[in-house]
Amino acid sequence: QKEVEQDPGPLSVPEGAIVSLNCTYSNSAFQYFMWYRQYSRKGPELLMYTYSSGNKEDGRFTAQVDKSSKYISLFIRDSQPSDSATYLCAMSGLGSSNTGKLIFGQGTTLQVKP
Amino acid sequence: DTAVSQTPKYLVTQMGNDKSIKCEQNLGHDTMYWYKQDSKKFLKIMFSYNNKELIINETVPNRFSPKSPDKAHLNLHINSLELGDSAVYFCASSGTGEDTQYFGPGTRLTVL
Repeated sequence: QKEVEQDPGPLSVPEGAIVSLNCTYSNSAFQYFMWYRQYSRKGPELLMYTYSSGNKEDGRFTAQVDKSSKYISLFIRDSQPSDSATYLCAMSGLGSSNTGKLIFGQGTTLQVKP
Repeated sequence: DTAVSQTPKYLVTQMGNDKSIKCEQNLGHDTMYWYKQDSKKFLKIMFSYNNKELIINETVPNRFSPKSPDKAHLNLHINSLELGDSAVYFCASSGTGEDTQYFGPGTRLTVL
């Protein structure tokens, strides 16, 4: 079993839809949670970073962490064709914050159709 | 200005050859990483250096050898290339004590 599980999709939605992307994890030592967006043939770029359980909002994006369920989500409101990309969740633990070892999910490919 | 840059962007080579990929960051970060992303988009860490010192060395064949001449540069040398080495290799960097990492544009390696 992988430490971080993420449905690879693809996920196709119409423009304006609310998108929900999810990851589950098995290692309770994970304390830092990130979402990266990767456009085709580009490097991943950091989208959201959270530490504690709860919600964090940034514009149309909301990151949610539920440590008791070992479950994180990324919500995209009013999705746009420019949101079409692969979304990767990533996480690390307290110990690995010194080494910076991020464990990534497989990534979910999202397509937003005009 | 590009924060994390890699060269070359594309690399096509024959099996058995030796090749290098270079990475440079101008963010003033102390830690740099190499990741491998396979055809299924799965991104896995290979190595990490902090101030030129190796701190993460995942289970990677010893044909792969990272070298950090200074904290702004981390190069990856690969000996005796194999078909399975075909992937996109990403360099990344992070600041001291930070968990967020900034990625380069990637090097797409194809071994024929």
